[in-house]
Order: sequence, then C-alpha cells, then structure tokens
Amino acid sequence: KAGVTQTPRYLIKTRGQQVTLSCSPISGHRSVSWYQQTPGQGLQFLFEYFSETQRNKGNFPGRFSGRQFSNSRSEMNVSTLELGDSALYLCASSLNRQGDGYTFGSGTRLTVV
Amino acid sequence: GENVEQHPSTLSVQEGDSAVIKCTYSDSASNYFPWYKQELGKRPQLIIDIRSNVGEKKDQRIAVTLNKTAKHFSLHITETQPEDSAVYFCAARGYSGAGSYQLTFGKGTKLSVIP
Repeated sequence: KAGVTQTPRYLIKTRGQQVTLSCSPISGHRSVSWYQQTPGQGLQFLFEYFSETQRNKGNFPGRFSGRQFSNSRSEMNVSTLELGDSALYLCASSLNRQGDGYTFGSGTRLTVV
Repeated sequence: GENVEQHPSTLSVQEGDSAVIKCTYSDSASNYFPWYKQELGKRPQLIIDIRSNVGEKKDQRIAVTLNKTAKHFSLHITETQPEDSAVYFCAARGYSGAGSYQLTFGKGTKLSVIP
C-alpha cells in the first residue's frame, strides 16, 4: 500500500512569505504528526492532528499552524517565513492516537532565502 | 514533558565490530521505545521497537534493551556493515494528556562503519 506522501519535496521561499506543506497519510491512518528536522536540533515536534482536531502542540511560535481534513490529509502552514525556518519538515501518520504503525513521509525540504 | 537524551552523537566503528547507542528518558510513564534509522536524504524508518513490559528484543543483528528502573534503553548492532552507516534516532512515547500520546526523539547518533 502507498506510504505517507508529502508534497512538495523541495521548496524555496523568500523571507516574509508564507508556505503550505501537504501530507497524505497511509490509508486508514487517522493521526498525523509534524516535525521539523534541522542538523543541530534533531526532530522537533510541531503538532499532532486526529479527527480534524489538533491534539498536541510543540513549542513553536504561532506562525506555525496546521489543519486536518475529513480524509485525514493534513497541511501545515508557516507564515512570515524567517531564515531559521529552513529545515526538512517531516510528517508521520499512525493508525490511532497511541501511535501504532507510526510511519514517516519523505519530507519537504524548505529553504528560506 | 518527556526528555530524551541520546549518546554518543557520532560513532565510528570498523566493519564487523559492534555498535552501541544509548538513550535515557525522564518520564517513568513512557511505555514504548522505537528506534529509527535515517539514511542520507531519506526518511526515518523504524528498525526495532520495545515496549515497557519487555526487557530485551532482538531482530537478526539488531537488539534493543530496556532498563525501566534506570530509565534507559540501548540499541546494539552486531557485525556492522557499511550499509549500517546512517543517523539513528531513539524515541520514547509518553502520555501527553487528553487521550493523546507523543513520541519524543533523541537528537540522533551518526554511525559510520569503516570498511
């Protein structure tokens, strides 16, 4: 079956712009979590969505937001981009809120110039 | 919240030797501990996991041990091969409230296997 699909794979944006990233979970998976990965900080948790509701949020500013649709697909948005937002953004889906079957997508590489 | 510390941050071993990566966690209620392998330019992939009711689990050349009392768990790779070169992440899953669970990751260990 298809894995977790993230689009786009690569993105270059200018400081001050906003960006929307998309994540389609494995079929049947209802929970989607987002992470920011940078060389110095590892995998930093952004938020988790289940049944179209944000269930958990990491320690990121309000410029980072997300949503989940009724088909479990999720988007995350970053407004007023800063240079420090350059990172690999990974999403992971799981069957349930307990995290069974936790699987990562290939990520979106965001570069802010 | 949960805090996961991972050591070492880099590890170089000769092909055929063993590699050990250690993690400690802070939340005694955490009950699930997966390990992920991330090759350059690829997504993290689950390689082995262990639940809190088990002390050790083995899968071919890979094993994980868990010491709940000391709140630490370790990844052991035996007979290392060049294709084992990657970044390895440990994680601990704890209850974060309102029916939700959260995986907290260590900062990763870059393993290099020298042929």
